[in-house]
Amino acid sequence: DIQMTQSPSSLSASVGDRVTITCQASQDISNYLNWYQQKPGKAPKLLIYAASNLETGVPSRFGGSGSGTDFTFTISSLQPEDIATYYCQQYDNLPLTFGGGTKVEIK
Amino acid sequence: EVQVVESGGGLVQPGGSLRLSCAASGFTVSNNYMTWVRQAPGKGLDWVSVIYSAGTTYYSDSVKGRFTISRDNSKNTLYLQMNSLRAEDTAVYYCARLLQWRFDPWGQGTLVTVSS
Repeated sequence: DIQMTQSPSSLSASVGDRVTITCQASQDISNYLNWYQQKPGKAPKLLIYAASNLETGVPSRFGGSGSGTDFTFTISSLQPEDIATYYCQQYDNLPLTFGGGTKVEIK
Repeated sequence: EVQVVESGGGLVQPGGSLRLSCAASGFTVSNNYMTWVRQAPGKGLDWVSVIYSAGTTYYSDSVKGRFTISRDNSKNTLYLQMNSLRAEDTAVYYCARLLQWRFDPWGQGTLVTVSS
């Protein structure tokens, strides 16, 4: 199985800050990586697909990059409504696997 | 509007069975890959199973042999039959379309609690 290691597991930042989350795959997954946002008590929501493509309707302050084993998710200017847990997910191979999540809070 | 709505969760004793349903609207279940993902209380996301449009099915090792994914094309509904349930199966179960390997949309989830 492909292991997805996300870091940090939590972070606290101020409104307007740039936030960066990393996701490392245990083997080369090309760009077969998605990012999701999950707000408390809600279902996850797709933000980024194929490592760097912004899902329709998602604000442009969200972004993704990377390929191979190392990936980055960025919020360019943190907003109060971005408080959530963020997950990466690989689809290079079954079983589909997720990172452990990064909980983002406002400082 | 494209959406899925899960139902069927509840409290079940260890060793018991439960069938979850996922009613889809705005798209045809049989023409898509459909999947179940679960989330234990306070934990991360855990993929459970997928059924391809051709009918091929796959499972995570943790549920293989106990869970069965299926669909009813006439009802445009996905199912997850869960047998021999264990305490560690306690979770919110989400149904999602797997469109070009993206989970989208997700349902609101249905809670399964396995406890005596």
